[in-house]
Amino acid sequence: SQQGEEDPQALSIQEGENATMNCSYKTSINNLQWYRQNSGRGLVHLILIRSNEREKHSGRLRVTLDTSKKSSSLLITASRAADTASYFCATESTGNQFYFGTGTSLTVIP
Amino acid sequence: DAGVIQSPRHEVTEMGQEVTLRCKPISGHNSLFWYRQTMMRGLELLIYFNNNVPIDDSGMPEDRFSAKMPNASFSTLKIQPSEPRDSAVYFCASRLRLARTGELFFGEGSRLTVL
Repeated sequence: SQQGEEDPQALSIQEGENATMNCSYKTSINNLQWYRQNSGRGLVHLILIRSNEREKHSGRLRVTLDTSKKSSSLLITASRAADTASYFCATESTGNQFYFGTGTSLTVIP
Repeated sequence: DAGVIQSPRHEVTEMGQEVTLRCKPISGHNSLFWYRQTMMRGLELLIYFNNNVPIDDSGMPEDRFSAKMPNASFSTLKIQPSEPRDSAVYFCASRLRLARTGELFFGEGSRLTVL
């Protein structure tokens, strides 16, 4: 399987704390993306980082990419109860395939 | 734009029946993906199309599964005959290939239960 692995599988934090999720993948990539999925809904794109980038910010989101280790991390700062969702990394290869990781279930306690 | 539209949202059927899931991608998008999501296996890429042409169907689990994209605004995923292990949420996603952002836009999914 070309799916990535995410760590941790589940994360529970207090509102206001930071949440960090990690993603490891197996193959060479063009870019890596993070998506969010609320319960019972489709996935929504959060942020994209290209293979030649090391860090990217968007609002309260910070993504890092280490292609030598084939890993990425997503940091959500100052978490809110509304951030409760599952978060997935997705890698895009040169063949235009998108493969998703196993996901991290984040619970933010008010 | 209404986004990616999938139908039906929920389907309950009996083993052996034919199931057809439908997807209308976002207008102007030229890549379309079908995924299956289960607790055990996560999100699995089943097949994807570029410009209505199937590019990679290596994720289609068995010959019982087939997908078509007769035009740029419609795709179907068919399971015949269905089995209980096909129970899952099936997602369709589209994007504009070579767009700078490269993001996928997902539908809300079709939840299939095969009894």
